[in-house]
Amino acid sequence: GDSVTQMEGPVTLSEEAFLTINCTYTATGYPSLFWYVQYPGEGLQLLLKATKADDKGSNKGFEATYRKETTSFHLEKGSVQVSDSAVYFCALSDRRSSNTGKLIFGQGTTLQVKP
Amino acid sequence: EADIYQTPRYLVIGTGKKITLECSQTMGHDKMYWYQQDPGMELHLIHYSYGVNSTEKGDLSSESTVSRIRTEHFPLTLESARPSHTSQYLCASSDLTRGPDTQYFGPGTRLTVL
Repeated sequence: GDSVTQMEGPVTLSEEAFLTINCTYTATGYPSLFWYVQYPGEGLQLLLKATKADDKGSNKGFEATYRKETTSFHLEKGSVQVSDSAVYFCALSDRRSSNTGKLIFGQGTTLQVKP
Repeated sequence: EADIYQTPRYLVIGTGKKITLECSQTMGHDKMYWYQQDPGMELHLIHYSYGVNSTEKGDLSSESTVSRIRTEHFPLTLESARPSHTSQYLCASSDLTRGPDTQYFGPGTRLTVL
């Protein structure tokens, strides 16, 4: 079945460092891809999304490009801040199941940014 | 900004008690979901609903039940709470007219069963 795999955390960086969180997926259809972020004590928030190959999603300095050839959707940010400390989830939605709106989530990657 | 609410935010209760976790959204979304989030942060879908009077079990088996009598309301009930039910419960909703498959999440309820 469809699945999402993220790099294991925690990822610990110093402020202003470059961030990459790897995400790869397995899907037999043509999924939409998402990154969600969960700040401490809160629910998940949509960070960015891409709906077809070569699309780039971006928001708040974060970017991810939908790479069909490598089945990847890696999250990047050029300069992280302490306020970016959170758990990041990669997710996909297979368009064959689009009527349900169901998402398949990766296991989450914790990011800790130190001053 | 999405408007989806969960109450209570925190609940500590004894074994055997019946509890209901509330979830409401004011966006008129047809689809709603309940997730259980374990300490390792992984999310597991336990229930979802396509609309009023529609409920389905999710990917993870759960002893909880849900109902959808009104579009905006999707409560989750545990008839007899046990320590194994201790977890974070997240509610979400989505509407395909707002973009493909984007789910909007509530703040969660952290349940502890003693």
